Amino acid sequence: KNQVEQSPQSLIILEGKNCTLQCNYTVSPFSNLRWYKQDTGRGPVSLTIMTFSENTKSNGRYTATLDADTKQSSLHITASQLSDSASYICVVSAWGSQGNLIFGKGTKLSVKP
Amino acid sequence: GAVVSQHPSWVICKSGTSVKIECRSLDFQATTMFWYRQFPKQSLMLMATSNEGSKATYEQGVEKDKFLINHASLTLSTLTVTSAHPEDSSFYICSARDRWRTTQETQYFGPGTRLLVL
Repeated sequence: KNQVEQSPQSLIILEGKNCTLQCNYTVSPFSNLRWYKQDTGRGPVSLTIMTFSENTKSNGRYTATLDADTKQSSLHITASQLSDSASYICVVSAWGSQGNLIFGKGTKLSVKP
Repeated sequence: GAVVSQHPSWVICKSGTSVKIECRSLDFQATTMFWYRQFPKQSLMLMATSNEGSKATYEQGVEKDKFLINHASLTLSTLTVTSAHPEDSSFYICSARDRWRTTQETQYFGPGTRLLVL
């Protein structure tokens, strides 16, 4: 069964600190993995997208890694800001799925001053 | 680029009424749009896939007669919640796939519509 699991469920950090969010997946055949940021009451916004051959991708203070062998991904946030408070969702797409995405439940990040 | 809008952003209605939600791709053409529902503290759940000019494909457990989807043009899909009940209260999000950028199956999400049925 195709699944995406994220950890931790929630995380509280102080402003300026770094953090890393984890994503494990069992999706086959794998097409790509994306990280989205979803502010409360808003739609998801794409941060990164990685295909099988990509190990790392950065978007400003966000850096995503992908290990296709172990089927794990991480999202590292550097020098966190209050505006980083949001849910971060890991989403995996399978080949031939006609665009259907498999969503993780997200990690709720709270950045405190 | 790649902006998806939804209207309305929030709606409150009485039980038994119907509510229409619009999803528009503003600067690209979308042959395929997706409708999701998200309950509090839950992840997005795909309700249906909407293809321009044809019938929508509904996920298991989603009543097609209750959630009517129309994708009449390459930039507009609508979701109508018919005879809404309080349990239909949720956050409805659409996404659109760029017609010309399908290699990575990129989907662009709308900002969502909050529905509250009293």
